[in-house]
Amino acid sequence: SQKIEQNSEALNIQEGKTATLTCNYTNYSPAYLQWYRQDPGRGPVFLLLIRENEKEKRKERLKVTFDTTLKQSLFHITASQPADSATYLCALAAGQNFVFGPGTRLSVLP
Amino acid sequence: DAGVIQSPRHEVTEMGQEVTLRCKPISGHDYLFWYRQTMMRGLELLIYFNNNVPIDDSGMPEDRFSAKMPNASFSTLKIQPSEPRDSAVYFCASSSASTGNSPLHFGNGTRLTVT
Repeated sequence: SQKIEQNSEALNIQEGKTATLTCNYTNYSPAYLQWYRQDPGRGPVFLLLIRENEKEKRKERLKVTFDTTLKQSLFHITASQPADSATYLCALAAGQNFVFGPGTRLSVLP
Repeated sequence: DAGVIQSPRHEVTEMGQEVTLRCKPISGHDYLFWYRQTMMRGLELLIYFNNNVPIDDSGMPEDRFSAKMPNASFSTLKIQPSEPRDSAVYFCASSSASTGNSPLHFGNGTRLTVT
């Protein structure tokens, strides 16, 4: 069956460290993978998009990798700050639909 | 740009009542999506439209749910009759394309509570 998993429900890290979030999928062949941030009481906000033929994408302190062989994407936040605390969701384009993972709740501790 | 606008932000209703959720997408976006988010099931796609036409409604739970898009700037999601298990946050999102090459722009959702 098709499945998207994110490595952990919650992740706590110390301010200044690099946060690494994982998105694994099975029985999908996405051409694109996206990452979103969601704050409590708000809708998800788009962060980054990576294509299947791209290994890595960067935007400021954010970096995303995409390994279609492992069926995995890694999302990194370097020099993390308490303001980065939120839930992060990965999403696949599966046919005509966007399918979202369950999310990882990141807490950056001061 | 005002972004995707949803109303109401909160809705509390009794079981059996009709509920109507509203969405105004970003101008110029041809695709509109309705999602439902719960702790147990995460974000689930209910239905999406392209140029005001419903394309895929396979995620709509049952006949009690219906969605319309009478024009490019307005969509509704209706639940009739509502049940307690419909309690969730309902999101509307719009995009310039249905493929993963274009991001989704979400509204801030409607939190529905059915008692």
